Amino acid sequence: GESVGLHLPTLSVQEGDNSIINCAYSNSASDYFIWYKQESGKGPQFIIDIRSNMDKRQGQRVTVLLNKTVKHLSLQIAATQPGDSAVYFCAENIGSGGSYIPTFGRGTSLIVHP
Amino acid sequence: GAGVSQSPSNKVTEKGKDVELRCDPISGHTALYWYRQSLGQGLEFLIYFQGNSAPDKSGLPSDRFSAERTGGSVSTLTIQRTQQEDSAVYLCASSTWWGETQYFGPGTRLLVL
Repeated sequence: GESVGLHLPTLSVQEGDNSIINCAYSNSASDYFIWYKQESGKGPQFIIDIRSNMDKRQGQRVTVLLNKTVKHLSLQIAATQPGDSAVYFCAENIGSGGSYIPTFGRGTSLIVHP
Repeated sequence: GAGVSQSPSNKVTEKGKDVELRCDPISGHTALYWYRQSLGQGLEFLIYFQGNSAPDKSGLPSDRFSAERTGGSVSTLTIQRTQQEDSAVYLCASSTWWGETQYFGPGTRLLVL
């Protein structure tokens, strides 16, 4: 998994497997978290978000889990497909004087083998 | 509806030249962000606009970088006297309000020779 500021990791999976991408965040004051997918040559695309008053949220084939105790966030992708191959970023939002400036991790590269 | 658009998509310039990058946010979005992404890296925050408030410029790496937002919509990021280390993808994002989900444009790929 990734941690904000550390080396970009890579996760390789077979098509049809479930994928889990991890993210550790640093600020216990963060109250809004987002996962983005970035395909080669494109801008990041919103996948799913979660607020700090929740510990789980599900979307279509994706689930985000939030563990505030250990400041850990994960993205689970069910039945991974080749089209899921991309770099996945987590972002934490910290309000500072009314200005929300998200902090992004460096990302995890997901490679799906057919 | 239309997403965030950026222009140009690619820009090659010579060291020392000035460049202007443009961002058209989603209509009605009050918040606009600029980021820089170097190859294989995460997103580096540059500047943030929210409505008519003074922009948060805390991420600008040097005084060669500036940005403006006219009429609460279109934004221009200007880099003066470009350096080779300015080469990167410059991404713009907008959101309905600060703290809400950001929607990104495709980016401008800047190469300084």
